[in-house]
Amino acid sequence: SQTIHQWPATLVQPVGSPLSLECTVEGTSNPNLYWYRQAAGRGLQLLFYSVGIGQISSEVPQNLSASRPQDRQFILSSKKLLLSDSGFYLCAWSAYGTQYFGPGTRLLVL
Amino acid sequence: DQQVKQNSPSLSVQEGRISILNCDYTNSMFDYFLWYKKYPAEGPTFLISISSIKDKNEDGRFTVFLNKSAKHLSLHIVPSQPGDSAVYFCAASLTNYGGSQGNLIFGKGTKLSVKP
Repeated sequence: SQTIHQWPATLVQPVGSPLSLECTVEGTSNPNLYWYRQAAGRGLQLLFYSVGIGQISSEVPQNLSASRPQDRQFILSSKKLLLSDSGFYLCAWSAYGTQYFGPGTRLLVL
Repeated sequence: DQQVKQNSPSLSVQEGRISILNCDYTNSMFDYFLWYKKYPAEGPTFLISISSIKDKNEDGRFTVFLNKSAKHLSLHIVPSQPGDSAVYFCAASLTNYGGSQGNLIFGKGTKLSVKP
């Protein structure tokens, strides 16, 4: 069966510091991968998606970036965090139109 | 412009009764619809989906209804249980839309509270 992992589970970072969140998927090959953010009291905002290694599409311009160095690894990064980057970050993979989410990373930027 | 709307931010229901969660969409090209359940500090869990070629899909206590002419779908939970208390997101997609194939457009969610 397929599983999706995210780490860390919680992160507190100062403004201006770098960020790296990792997502890995097991049990499937060549999945579509997604990064979402849920800000406090708001819905799910798609940040990036990837249909293959090295292929990244950005949905929302911002100071975040994503990379897919391996088939089942998706990384969300920032060089300098802003206060507005605080939120709950979710990674997902998809099969036949249905997306399956990881446990999420709660990021607090102070 | 929101393409998927959940106009009720919250809903409170008595245990054992029916919960009806509603969702409207604007893009008539959407052909696949999903409902997710989310507990605080956890990732959304897929509940049930429906293709645009159907008008109803049932899975245990959960039934999703699709009214294409009204661009409306609903999730019925019968009977409601306290463990159903969570935020429910509806989502829609264009399964064959170019490079963003499979991308989901989410509503903002409805918080369901089921009271014992």
